[in-house]
Amino acid sequence: GNSVTQMEGPVTLSEEAFLTINCTYTATGYPSLFWYVQYPGEGLQLLLKATKADDKGSNKGFEATYRKETTSFHLEKGSVQVSDSAVYFCALNGGGSNYKLTFGKGTLLTVNP
Amino acid sequence: NAGVTQTPKFQVLKTGQSMTLQCAQDMNHEYMSWYRQDPGMGLRLIHYSVGAGITDQGEVPNGYNVSRSTTEDFPLRLLSAAPSQTSVYFCASSYEGHRYGYTFGSGTRLTVV
Repeated sequence: GNSVTQMEGPVTLSEEAFLTINCTYTATGYPSLFWYVQYPGEGLQLLLKATKADDKGSNKGFEATYRKETTSFHLEKGSVQVSDSAVYFCALNGGGSNYKLTFGKGTLLTVNP
Repeated sequence: NAGVTQTPKFQVLKTGQSMTLQCAQDMNHEYMSWYRQDPGMGLRLIHYSVGAGITDQGEVPNGYNVSRSTTEDFPLRLLSAAPSQTSVYFCASSYEGHRYGYTFGSGTRLTVV
C-alpha cells in the first residue's frame, strides 16, 4: 500500500534560517503529492502540491519538487519567519479514482525570533 | 464563506454514550472523508464517501458509522464512545483530490471520559 515517511521533529530554527523538511513516499503508479500546514488550534490548509514528476509546487515562499527517481517531495524555504511555526504534513493521493489521502506523521516547526 | 463546516468544535462524552459529529460542505464536492488525528500518528482515515449514497471504510473504521444522504452532508456517528476515541476529528472534501487537493474543516476535539 501507499505510505509517507517524513522527518521527525520537532525542528527549531531561528528567524531567517533555511528550512528543509524531508519527505519520501512509497506508492504504485503516479501519485499526486501535497504539503499541508496546521497552525495551532486550526485545521489543515493546503500549502502546495505537485501532480506529476518534476513538477515544483510553491506557495508563500515554500517550495517542493516531485522527484520520482528518489521518491521524494522535500519541503524547503529560504528564510523562515516566526509566523511559519506550525505542524507540516506531507501527503499523497494515489491518483485516478483513488481519492484517499495518505499522510506522514507530521513535523512540528518552531521558529524563534 | 465556502468551505467545510464541522460542529461541534469541542465535546466531552462519557464512556458508552453516542453522538454525531456533523460535517457540511457547500462546494458541491463529490468526495468527503473523516480523519482522526492523534499525537505521533498523523491523520488516519476513518470512513469516506465518493458520492451521495456511497460510503466505504478507511484505515480505522471500528466504532464509527457514516451515511451520505446528500452531497453536502457527511455525519460521523460514534455508536458507544470509548476512551480510545479521544481524538481530534477532521472532515475533508474534494472535487478531484489528486488534482486540486482537499479542503479540511477546523476540527472537533472529542474527549471520552
